[in-house]
Amino acid sequence: AQTVTQSQPEMSVQEAETVTLSCTYDTSENNYYLFWYKQPPSRQMILVIRQEAYKQQNATENRFSVNFQKAAKSFSLKISDSQLGDTAMYFCASSLYGGSQGNLIFGKGTKLSVKP
Amino acid sequence: NAGVMQNPRHLVRRRGQEARLRCSPMKGHSHVYWYRQLPEEGLKFMVYLQKENIIDESGMPKERFSAEFPKEGPSILRIQQVVRGDSAAYFCASSPGGARETQYFGPGTRLLVL
Repeated sequence: AQTVTQSQPEMSVQEAETVTLSCTYDTSENNYYLFWYKQPPSRQMILVIRQEAYKQQNATENRFSVNFQKAAKSFSLKISDSQLGDTAMYFCASSLYGGSQGNLIFGKGTKLSVKP
Repeated sequence: NAGVMQNPRHLVRRRGQEARLRCSPMKGHSHVYWYRQLPEEGLKFMVYLQKENIIDESGMPKERFSAEFPKEGPSILRIQQVVRGDSAAYFCASSPGGARETQYFGPGTRLLVL
């Protein structure tokens, strides 16, 4: 069974600084995807970034990048030049690659506060 | 291209009533997933459907809950005889394919059972 663990319930960062959110996962499969989703106070779930496990290169989307360590089963999210609008819950998630699977397994989330 | 639509956004029911939650996927998407989020928790998978088929309902409670995705119209998550423990946010996500495709979420339906 897949599990996703986020060990930081809350974090804060000053505006314009960099913050890293941690995520570890466990799976016996070799092919899977990893995601970071953002949930702002509106509670809409917004995809931040996606990583295919078979790709060694870390995914990047503008100010957001990941550090994917497959052997360690670690998938951290780095937010550079933090902005007030980055204040949100951040959820790490995984899904399997093939077959009839596809449902996302979520961690419990990290509440990020960006302070002016 | 409109995003995933869910309605109603808020739903209040008394214990014992039925709740019907609707989800219209993005245009061109034929795969729908339902998730439940309890307060202060992450999302938990409930059911995965394609048009007219339930693919995986391993996360769905065995009683009172059902889901469908008809050939025409939105996907429906139905909760019969609601109890207070059903109070949660219910999210629908859609994708154009199966496991290899990114899921895009709707705004959720907040269900409150009095």
